[in-house]
Amino acid sequence: KQEVTQIPAALSVPEGENLVLNCSFTDSAIYNLQWFRQDPGKGLTSLLLIQSSQREQTSGRLNASLDKSSGRSTLYIAASQPGDSATYLCAVPNSGYSTLTFGKGTMLLVSP
Amino acid sequence: DAGVIQSPRHEVTEMGQEVTLRCKPISGHNSLFWYRQTMMRGLELLIYFNNNVPIDDSGMPEDRFSAKMPNASFSTLKIQPSEPRDSAVYFCASSLVSWLDTQYFGPGTRLTVL
Repeated sequence: KQEVTQIPAALSVPEGENLVLNCSFTDSAIYNLQWFRQDPGKGLTSLLLIQSSQREQTSGRLNASLDKSSGRSTLYIAASQPGDSATYLCAVPNSGYSTLTFGKGTMLLVSP
Repeated sequence: DAGVIQSPRHEVTEMGQEVTLRCKPISGHNSLFWYRQTMMRGLELLIYFNNNVPIDDSGMPEDRFSAKMPNASFSTLKIQPSEPRDSAVYFCASSLVSWLDTQYFGPGTRLTVL
């Protein structure tokens, strides 16, 4: 069964820094990978979906990369802002099952 | 679009009581998902519907849990009888076609079973 690990579990940075969040998965036979954002007390918001045939996806200050062979994805946030403070989760489909496996998330705090 | 709508937002009940959570997916979406989130286990899929038909219910913890989708715009998740270990945040999500598409989450229902 697919296992997803996110490192670090928590990250605190000053405003303006560029940062990288990491996601690793055990089964590389994936259709795609999704990055979500979760604000406290709220549901998840989809940020980026990378198809298995893609290596990168960009949206504004966010850039997600995917390396299937090594079982890794990174989410790069440029010029971080206090509004970026949230928990970021990655999710991959389980091979042979109609489900997503989510990582436990990285809790990001960007201080002014 | 109003997004995925869930009710109630908070539910506090006593052990043994029946709990019903409700979800209205985004109009036009063919897939609906129920998830449970806890600190210990993270986010777990409970059940997945496609075109109102349950496709994967392998995540439903036991017979105390049941889910229905009588039409394309409404789904319920019922727990009977509820237990303290059911305390969690329950999310409903929908996607346009299938489980491989971008999923849009509702705000969740925070359930506390005393």
